[in-house]
Amino acid sequence: QKEVEQDPGPLSVPEGAIVSLNCTYSNSAFQYFMWYRQYSRKGPELLMYTYSSGNKEDGRFTAQVDKSSKYISLFIRDSQPSDSATYLCAMSLNINKFYFGSGTKLNVKP
Amino acid sequence: NAGVTQTPKFQVLKTGQSMTLQCAQDMNHNSMYWYRQDPGMGLRLIYYSASEGTTDKGEVPNGYNVSRLNKREFSLRLESAAPSQTSVYFCASSEVKVQETQYFGPGTRLLVL
Repeated sequence: QKEVEQDPGPLSVPEGAIVSLNCTYSNSAFQYFMWYRQYSRKGPELLMYTYSSGNKEDGRFTAQVDKSSKYISLFIRDSQPSDSATYLCAMSLNINKFYFGSGTKLNVKP
Repeated sequence: NAGVTQTPKFQVLKTGQSMTLQCAQDMNHNSMYWYRQDPGMGLRLIYYSASEGTTDKGEVPNGYNVSRLNKREFSLRLESAAPSQTSVYFCASSEVKVQETQYFGPGTRLLVL
């Protein structure tokens, strides 16, 4: 069983839609939760970071962590064509070893 | 300020050949990492270096060696390349106090025939 599971998509939405991206995980000891955005043929870039449970908001992006369900989410409000990318979740026990999901490909249509 | 740079961008090897992937960062970060990215598998940690002079195995270290040459540079060596090592390799770096903020390089695409 993979440590982190993520639906690969692709997910196609119209511009302005609310996007929900999700990951589940198996290791209840994970404490650090991150979302990365990766454009085609580029390296990932950090979008959001959350420590332990709870919500975090940054502009159009909201990250949620539900440790009781071992489930994390990223919401994108008012999605834009420039949000079209692959979104990777990642989590960590001890901030040196990170476990990544396989990524969800998002396409926002104008 | 170039961030994290990787060379080469693309490489084709024959089975059994060796090569070294180079990574350098100019952000004065202590920690550096090597990942591979395969379709459907996500990013998997190969090796990491928490500080100059130290290295540790990640999730998939077999078939690889690393060298933390100095604070700036962290190289990944394939001694005898195998087709299973065909992948995209990413180097990353982070500051000790904010390990979760990893900065990634542009990647090296490796094809082993």
